[in-house]
Amino acid sequence: GQQLNQSPQSMFIQEGEDVSMNCTSSSIFNTWLWYKQDPGEGPVLLIALYKAGELTSNGRLTAQFGITRKDSFLNISASIPSDVGIYFCAGHSGGSNYKLTFGKGTLLTVNP
Amino acid sequence: DSGVTQTPKHLITATGQRVTLRCSPRSGDLSVYWYQQSLDQGLQFLIQYYNGEERAKGNILERFSAQQFPDLHSELNLSSLELGDSALYFCASSVALGGYTFGSGTRLTVV
Repeated sequence: GQQLNQSPQSMFIQEGEDVSMNCTSSSIFNTWLWYKQDPGEGPVLLIALYKAGELTSNGRLTAQFGITRKDSFLNISASIPSDVGIYFCAGHSGGSNYKLTFGKGTLLTVNP
Repeated sequence: DSGVTQTPKHLITATGQRVTLRCSPRSGDLSVYWYQQSLDQGLQFLIQYYNGEERAKGNILERFSAQQFPDLHSELNLSSLELGDSALYFCASSVALGGYTFGSGTRLTVV
């Protein structure tokens, strides 16, 4: 089946630093999504990307849909303690069922 | 509150038992998805229902089944439980791809 390779698996940074994480796939996706999961909660959608090459921002978050349609990255600028959590990429390969394939997540720890 | 309600929040049961997890989708959402989250496998898609009908199936074991009722709530039934079934089970609902909303999950512990 389809797999998404998400890296890094974990990051430990200082407050104020910028963060970058990415996802790659061996197959093409038509939509890329980035989610954040806090402890004890379900994933929450951060950014959705629908077009190859698209660059979208949501506050301090910026994500891009790779032009090959096989990768995406998420940047977080000027990190703050509440950015702590697990970040997941997810891809949709098309069709009407909206089934998503998820990466295994990046655990972000921010040291105040 | 995401609008997707899952009950119970925690469930502890013994091996060999059967449990039912319940999900109420966000108002207006016709699609319900079930995902299993474990430490080593991440978020794995199990099954999707759309307006009462099964639409897509993922890595769902034969011991697991689901259904979506006329009021659009969904139930995931897990039977002959094994230790390895211990995981977080999430329900999500959507009307469109960008509106994919997760519930807070049910943490299942099989002892």
